Amino acid sequence: QAVLTQPSSLSASPGASASLTCTLRSGINVGNYRIYWYQQKPGSPPQCLLWYKSDSDKQQGSGVFSRFSGSKDASANAGILLISGLQSEDEADYYCMIWHSSAWVFGGGTKLTVL
Amino acid sequence: QVQLVQSGAEVKKPGASVKVSCKASGYTFTSFDINWVRQATGHGLEWLGWMKPNSGDTGYAQKFQGRVTMTRDSSTSTAYMELSSLSSEDTAVYYCARDAHGGSGWFDPWGQGTLVTVSS
Repeated sequence: QAVLTQPSSLSASPGASASLTCTLRSGINVGNYRIYWYQQKPGSPPQCLLWYKSDSDKQQGSGVFSRFSGSKDASANAGILLISGLQSEDEADYYCMIWHSSAWVFGGGTKLTVL
Repeated sequence: QVQLVQSGAEVKKPGASVKVSCKASGYTFTSFDINWVRQATGHGLEWLGWMKPNSGDTGYAQKFQGRVTMTRDSSTSTAYMELSSLSSEDTAVYYCARDAHGGSGWFDPWGQGTLVTVSS
């Protein structure tokens, strides 16, 4: 079982909100980790949007819109990237990442379509 | 501005090695870790390892232990990633990325990527 699991795709309408999940493998407690979120558009390297561990330990990238925010669902053992007021420019691949067992580990990524 | 510029595309035969360079500018090279990440076409991101340019210390993903070597030339602010015993499964775009906050996982900026194609 992968360390981080993301849904492969998600579709949402312009102006709506999208909740992208990153589920940690059973036995790995989401509460102990900073979850990093990267956005990647076609033909470009990824860009770090934010990290979230708790409301007191989080960081937003400079220039990253406040429409992007991080949170956790402890009951689901998952990190969440919430994008509100979706715009066409938000269409991209999104990856979560954690530091686990002395390595950076990426989730498989979610392709977000805005239509 | 802070920038990482990588070497050009490579075509290698199975069993060969490849060495990709990553030249830093706009900041003090020895002050920030360099990480290497790869991405096969149509696939996700895979971390290979990190290097501390000031000391040369490295840490590699278990999957690549024994096959990857990360080095640097501080006089030219250049980091290198060498991958040996190549197979078709190593065909991917390889990125270098600066860890902007001291081992934090905030990778910024990234190089433009280097396409490595392994084909007989």
